[in-house]
Amino acid sequence: AQSVTQPDIHITVSEGASLELRCNYSYGATPYLFWYVQSPGQGLQLLLKYFSGDTLVQGIKGFEAEFKRSQSSFNLRKPSVHWSDAAEYFCAALGTSGTYKYIFGTGTRLKVLA
Amino acid sequence: DTGVSQNPRHKITKRGQNVTFRCDPISEHNRLYWYRQTLGQGPEFLTYFQNEAQLEKSRLLSDRFSAERPKGSFSTLEIQRTEQGDSAMYLCASSLDGLAAQYFGPGTRLTVL
Repeated sequence: AQSVTQPDIHITVSEGASLELRCNYSYGATPYLFWYVQSPGQGLQLLLKYFSGDTLVQGIKGFEAEFKRSQSSFNLRKPSVHWSDAAEYFCAALGTSGTYKYIFGTGTRLKVLA
Repeated sequence: DTGVSQNPRHKITKRGQNVTFRCDPISEHNRLYWYRQTLGQGPEFLTYFQNEAQLEKSRLLSDRFSAERPKGSFSTLEIQRTEQGDSAMYLCASSLDGLAAQYFGPGTRLTVL
C-alpha cells in the first residue's frame, strides 16, 4: 500500500540552529513529493515540491529538500531556524498515475527555543 | 486575495443536525479536493472533482456525506445526521490539473456536541 512516513512526531531546536525533518515514502513508482507547513488553526501552505530533475529543490522561507531515490526519502532542511518557523510540517506524495489524491504523513511538530 | 476560501471557518452543531460547508477554489483551477484532518494527524482524502464531475470518493465518505460542485466553480460538502466522530477540520484544496500542486484553504473546523 502507498504510504508516507514522518518518523519524528516532535522536534525541538534552538533559534539559529539547523533543521532537518525526515520523510520516507512507499510507492510503486516515484511519486511527486511536497512539503507543507501548517500554523495552528490554519490551512496548509506549500513550501516546495519535487516532480523530477534536480534532486535538491528550493522552496519558500529559506527551506530546501533533497530527494534520494535509493532511500525513498525527501527530507526538508533549513540552515538557520527562526522562531516564526514553529509550526507543524507535513510531507505529502502524489501518485503519477491513476488517482490524484495526496497521501500525507502524520506530521512533525516543530518547536523553536529562543 | 485569490487563494482558496472556505466558509464558515468554525461550526458548532449538535449531534443529529445537518451541516454544509462551502469552498471557493482558485478561479482558474479545474480540480477541487476535500480532505479531513483530525487532531495529531495528517489530512485524509475524502473526494475530488474535475470541473463539475466527482471522480473519486474515499471509503471514509459515508452515505451521510455528500459533495457537489454544480457549475465547476465552488463546492459544497454536506454532512447529514452529524455524529461526534465527524468533529474535525475539513480542508478544501484546488489545483490546475491532476499532477499539479494543490493549494489549500484555511479549513472549516467542525465541532459536534
